[in-house]
Amino acid sequence: KAGVTQTPRYLIKTRGQQVTLSCSPISGHRSVSWYQQTPGQGLQFLFEYFSETQRNKGNFPGRFSGRQFSNSRSEMNVSTLELGDSALYLCASSGGGSAIDNEQFFGPGTRLTVL
Amino acid sequence: DAKTTQPNSMESNEEEPVHLPCNHSTISGTDYIHWYRQLPSQGPEYVIHGLTSNVNNRMASLAIAEDRKSSTLILHRATLRDAAVYYCILRESSGGSNYKLTFGKGTLLTVNP
Repeated sequence: KAGVTQTPRYLIKTRGQQVTLSCSPISGHRSVSWYQQTPGQGLQFLFEYFSETQRNKGNFPGRFSGRQFSNSRSEMNVSTLELGDSALYLCASSGGGSAIDNEQFFGPGTRLTVL
Repeated sequence: DAKTTQPNSMESNEEEPVHLPCNHSTISGTDYIHWYRQLPSQGPEYVIHGLTSNVNNRMASLAIAEDRKSSTLILHRATLRDAAVYYCILRESSGGSNYKLTFGKGTLLTVNP
């Protein structure tokens, strides 16, 4: 079974631009979560999508948004980029059912640098 | 979210057991204890989880205190590939919010050859 894939792996943008990151979950997984990892704040939850609906949301400004498609693939968008948005963005997929045994499988991440 | 407290770093020698502690004194009765680890330049990976009883799997063992206010992840024979940041996380047992992982700072494990 192929793992979680994220594209692109590396991205360089300038302040004020917008960016879209993509995540393909493990086949059959319906839940996709996004996390931001920075040296200062560590790993922080952004949001989670399940069956094309946002089910959970972290404490990030509205510039961060996402969506999920019918095939469970997900995209994350950041508008009006700021220097502080430079981070590793991680996507995780899970079966999505209510059982606590649904572990999350993480992708390798997209390294975003904002200049 | 209930918080966890872990040592910033620990060191071990190869082939020796490693005990990684985690304090979670504000754990609620429905919280599960999960452990993830993050190897250098990779996304986190699931290690083990438990509720009240000790748990074993191919990667590690999880020992949970009787009052559930602390737990210990046990790597029985550390290898160089086990060098990573280990995160102890509490997850609610029900509801959609259990997909939100709240990561702390974790413990950086160094394994010496």
